Amino acid sequence: DIVMTQSPATLSVSPGERATLSCRASQSVKNNLNWFQQKPGQAPRLLIYGASIRATGIPARFSGSGSGTEFTLTISSLQSEDFAVYYCQQYNNWPRTFGQGTTVEIK
Amino acid sequence: EQLVESGGGVVQPGGSLRVSCAASGFTFSHYGIHWVRQAPGKGLEWVALIWHDGGDKYYADSVKGRFTISRDNSKNTVFLQMNSLRVEDTAVYFCARWGISADYDALDIWGQGTMVTVSS
Repeated sequence: DIVMTQSPATLSVSPGERATLSCRASQSVKNNLNWFQQKPGQAPRLLIYGASIRATGIPARFSGSGSGTEFTLTISSLQSEDFAVYYCQQYNNWPRTFGQGTTVEIK
Repeated sequence: EQLVESGGGVVQPGGSLRVSCAASGFTFSHYGIHWVRQAPGKGLEWVALIWHDGGDKYYADSVKGRFTISRDNSKNTVFLQMNSLRVEDTAVYFCARWGISADYDALDIWGQGTMVTVSS
């Protein structure tokens, strides 16, 4: 199975600052990668697919980059509603696998 | 476009439970459906997928041989039959749509989840 490793586990950021989240795959997943946001008590929400394509309705401050084994989710200027847990997930191979998540918290 | 899970509850170890995922607002028979679970306070774990026509199915190793995914396109519903349940299967079970296109397995619509508790 492909192991997805996210770093850091927790990111403390002030509102208005930039946040950079990393996701590494144990083998190449090409650009077959999703990013999700999850808030407490809610279902995950799709942010990015195809490593860099924003899903419908996702603000432009969210951007994804990378291919192969190294991926990044960048939030250019954190808003209060962006404090949440973020997961990457690969869909290049079966079984699909998620990273363990990065919590973005208010500094 | 909506997915709604149901059927969760409390079951003893070794028992069985079937959870359902009902779709509305889109052409259900055109889309694959995933099940993803989340144990209390933990991250997301992919469980299973069924293709749009039920023609192919995939499972996580942790549930293979115990869980069965199926669908009834006439009722716009996907099922997850869970047998030989273990304490470690305790989780919120979400269904999600294989959206966007055949090239992008983007889980674009999610249900609200149904809680399954395995406990004696």
